[in-house]
Amino acid sequence: QSVLTQPPSASGTPGQRVTISCSGSSSNIGSHTVNWYQQLPGTAPKLLIYSSNQRPSGVPDRFSGSKSGTSASLAISGLQSDDEADYYCGAWDDSLNGVVFGGGTKLTVL
Amino acid sequence: EVQLLESGGGLVQPGGSLRLSCAASGFTFSSYAVSWARQAPGKGLEWVSTIRGSDGSTYYADSVKGRFTISRDNSRNTLYLQMNSLRPEDTAVYYCARSLDTTTRARFAYWGQGTLVTVSS
Repeated sequence: QSVLTQPPSASGTPGQRVTISCSGSSSNIGSHTVNWYQQLPGTAPKLLIYSSNQRPSGVPDRFSGSKSGTSASLAISGLQSDDEADYYCGAWDDSLNGVVFGGGTKLTVL
Repeated sequence: EVQLLESGGGLVQPGGSLRLSCAASGFTFSSYAVSWARQAPGKGLEWVSTIRGSDGSTYYADSVKGRFTISRDNSRNTLYLQMNSLRPEDTAVYYCARSLDTTTRARFAYWGQGTLVTVSS
């Protein structure tokens, strides 16, 4: 059971906009910014969004993040087949004094 | 170019020990927090441990506290994870990761390719 809660799956058709939610508590998302990672099959994770809504250089602006209270969301617009991957949210947790991840969301492009 | 290269994985019996290494290059190693995260086969990501660059402070997941020890050798630009009293549930691909900048510890901007640890008799 992960500390951060994500839906196990999401799907969309090419060109569509999809969102993935991440729910936490006051000790993690409520107190700290959220980071999102993309993991393509057979590869290491890649930082997609940091500080809840910032994109590292090289990440397309089709990817965006937001946070409100103890929840966060990742939005992907103009969905492409290459976006098919697992997506994880992560944040620092004051109670655990460490990093917590969501269980991951498998995105399928139909 | 930032590079992280893990080594030291393999097959070990329950109760055994293993030391993982992560060789870093392309940045000032001593300035950054570096971490270990793992992923059991077919499962999600799990953070294991972090060591800060500024003061060497260490942090551990409850699941490994007291069994694993993170350390770094800034002269060799290398991160280590000493794993003792290994359990079958420690079986996973272990990744090392570097923080995004010198002031943060939880934004994993660079990752190695991972090394597989299998705990089985």
